[in-house]
Amino acid sequence: SYVLTQPPSLSVAPGQTATFTCVGDNIGGHSVHWYQQKPGQAPVMVVFDDSDRPSGIPDRFSGSNSANTATLTISRVEAADEADYYCQVWDITSDRPVFGGGTELTVL
Amino acid sequence: EVQLVESGGRVVRPGGSLRLSCAASGFTFDDYGMSWVRQVPGKGPEWVSGINWNGGSTSYADPVKGRFTISRDNARNSLYLQMNSLRAEDTAFYYCARNGGATNWFDPWGQGTLVTVSS
Repeated sequence: SYVLTQPPSLSVAPGQTATFTCVGDNIGGHSVHWYQQKPGQAPVMVVFDDSDRPSGIPDRFSGSNSANTATLTISRVEAADEADYYCQVWDITSDRPVFGGGTELTVL
Repeated sequence: EVQLVESGGRVVRPGGSLRLSCAASGFTFDDYGMSWVRQVPGKGPEWVSGINWNGGSTSYADPVKGRFTISRDNARNSLYLQMNSLRAEDTAFYYCARNGGATNWFDPWGQGTLVTVSS
């Protein structure tokens, strides 16, 4: 089955840029979606189709996808951005959605 | 406001059964496919099952195939998950989520309901 690999943790100072990676075999050939999950809450989609933002998501959130790595970038990080971030694709081979293991963002 | 509200989670013995419900509001329910996604605390989400707009097509993750059944009642704007032969490894928060786009994202998600399988 298709595997998405995310580093378990990331620490960034307020005002700096957070860069999350999601690695998968030829992930550039998939559409990648990103979710933010704060403690005790349900996931919320922050980027869909590699780089589109749902309404209400600040333009500080952006995404890209190429070759074997998809990236979510949060510019001007705020304390409120502290959360777990998950990537997700639709695995064409199994015809099932697949999630990455998530990256925990700590704002220093 | 688009809203999904799950219910039905509780403690159940191994081998037992449980039916989860998800009440949808704020959108035309039968315009969308729906899914159940579960999450063990501290782990990433795991897709469990999906259903198309009219219930005519369903799919399941391998760990639950043959034990869980997804269904929907469009007249009641409701999604269901019948869970049989429950195992300890089924313990998790269960979320219902609306399927989106041709590339199958999940937005929004409900607040989740906790299923605990324990003797």
